[in-house]
Formats: sequence, C-alpha cells, structure tokens
Amino acid sequence: GEDVEQSLFLSVREGDSSVINCTYTDSSSTYLYWYKQEPGAGLQLLTYIFSNMDMKQDQRLTVLLNKKDKHLSLRIADTQTGDSAIYFCAVLKTGGSYIPTFGRGTSLIVHP
Amino acid sequence: ETGVTQTPRHLVMGMTNKKSLKCEQHLGHNAMYWYKQSAKKPLELMFVYSLEERVENNSVPSRFSPECPNSSHLFLHLHTLQPEDSALYLCASSQGRGSHEQYFGPGTRLTVT
Repeated sequence: GEDVEQSLFLSVREGDSSVINCTYTDSSSTYLYWYKQEPGAGLQLLTYIFSNMDMKQDQRLTVLLNKKDKHLSLRIADTQTGDSAIYFCAVLKTGGSYIPTFGRGTSLIVHP
Repeated sequence: ETGVTQTPRHLVMGMTNKKSLKCEQHLGHNAMYWYKQSAKKPLELMFVYSLEERVENNSVPSRFSPECPNSSHLFLHLHTLQPEDSALYLCASSQGRGSHEQYFGPGTRLTVT
C-alpha cells in the first residue's frame, strides 16, 4: 500500500520561513493534502494540490510538488507562533477507496 | 469550528466498562468516518459510512462497534477495551465517499485504565 513519510519535528524562529517535507510511494496519487492540527483540536484541511500541478500558492502558504521524486512540501512564509501545530501530509488516489493515506505528522515549533 | 462536533471530549474508562463516543455533523454531508490517532503513528482509518451504510472496516477489533443511525450522527460503542486502545478518536465527514475533502471534529481523548 501507499506509504507517506514526514520528519517528526521542525523548529523555526518567528518571522522565518518554515518548510515541511513529505515523501510518498504511489506515483498515481491524484490529490495531495496538507492538514493542520492544533493542540486539542481535530485536523483542519489547509490546502491541497492536484497531481497535474507543481505549485500552488495561497497567501503565506506555498505547496510544491515534485512528481518525479514523489516529494511534496509546504512552505509557510513569515512563520508566527500561531502556526505552531502538527502538520499532516496526506495523499489520495482516485478510482480506489477515496480514503486518503496520512503521514505521521510534523510538529512545527515556532519560537520567538 | 468545522461543523463536526464530538462528545465527550475526554473519557477515562476501565477495561470492563461500556461507553459510547458520539459524533454529529451539521454540514449536510452523507459520508462519515472514524479514525484513531495514536502518538507517533499515522492516522488509522477505522470505519467508513456512506449513506448510513458501512462501506469499509479496516480490520478493527470487535470491541469497537460503530453505529450510524442517520447521515448526521455517528457513534462508536466501546466495550472491554485494552490499555493500548488509549488514543484520540477522530470523527470526520465528507460530502460523499468520493469527495476528497474531509472535515474533522476535535476528537475524543480516550484513556483506558
């Protein structure tokens, strides 16, 4: 089955850019997502990208997709303390069960 | 606020207890999901309901029993759980099973003693 890998922790200084990386194994993945989970809360869909795109920008968020390397990244510009959370990468292949496969999540810690 | 609520938010239960988790969605969706989130493990899908019928059961032990009485409500009945079942249980909903956007509730933090 599909495997989705992420590093577990990332620490950045407030105001810097954060880059959270994700790799996946199924090259036929169609949708690729980033979810955010704040303490005590469920997952919130932040953004997603179709597999026929290589970049998507939404305000401070930039998603980059390298299909050849099966690598997805989320860049957060001007990172704020409110961005501290766990970020989950997820991928989905259409035509199957329509259930995304999630990574283990990357804990982003933003310090002053 | 995602439109998906879960109660209780926290639950402590003994291994011989019977309890139920409740999920309600106010989004008009017709697919609902139970996930288990354990520390340092990927999110595990447990059950999927579409139009109130169970369409997927990911080899979950029978001590977890789901119920979907209508498209807005989903329950997870728990009995004779084990300490390793302690986790955050998340409910999600989507417009249809083929819809790729899932909306999650805040979860129930379950501790089995």
